[in-house]
Amino acid sequence: SYELTQPLSVSVALGQTARITCGGNNIGSKNVHWYQQKPGQAPVLVIYRDSNRPSGIPERFSGSNSGNTATLTISRAQAGDEADYYCQVWDSSTAEVFGGGTKLTVL
Amino acid sequence: QVQLVESGGGLVKPGGSLRLSCAASGFTFSDYYMSWIRQAPGKGLEWVSYISSSGSTIYYADSVKGRFTISRDNAKNSLYLQMNSLRAEDTAVYYCARARRDGSKDYWGQGTLVTVSS
Repeated sequence: SYELTQPLSVSVALGQTARITCGGNNIGSKNVHWYQQKPGQAPVLVIYRDSNRPSGIPERFSGSNSGNTATLTISRAQAGDEADYYCQVWDSSTAEVFGGGTKLTVL
Repeated sequence: QVQLVESGGGLVKPGGSLRLSCAASGFTFSDYYMSWIRQAPGKGLEWVSYISSSGSTIYYADSVKGRFTISRDNAKNSLYLQMNSLRAEDTAVYYCARARRDGSKDYWGQGTLVTVSS
């Protein structure tokens, strides 16, 4: 079965750039989607198909995907960006897969 | 506007059954694939099941295969999850989500809590 690996936590200073990785075998060949989830709320799609932002998502959120790693980048991090972030792909052997999630802390 | 509203959660004993519903509005329900995703207390997201727009294609996570059944009624704009032989490890908030063709989930419901305990 296909697995996605995310760091448990990432910390970033206010106003700096945070990078959250999502590792998977040849993930660069798949479409990667990213979700933000704040406590007590449903997840929100922030990046789809590797690097596309849904309407309403700030330009500070961007994504990339190559080789065995996909990356969500949050520029000029704000206190309101503190949340859990999940990557997700579709794989022919496993259907849908979510990464374990990364807790972003803004210091 | 797009709305997804789950219902049917509650407390059930191990081995029991529960049927979750998801009422959709604000979009053409029959055009979209739909998914159920769950989240155990304090844990990450876990995909549960997926159904195509017509209902002809269905997938399940190994953890629920043979126990859960996903279905939809396009005439009623509703998605369902029949959960049988429930276990303590099925305790979670269950979300329904609209799936785009690329597999991303662009709208989520607020979730319904299922607790399996004696």
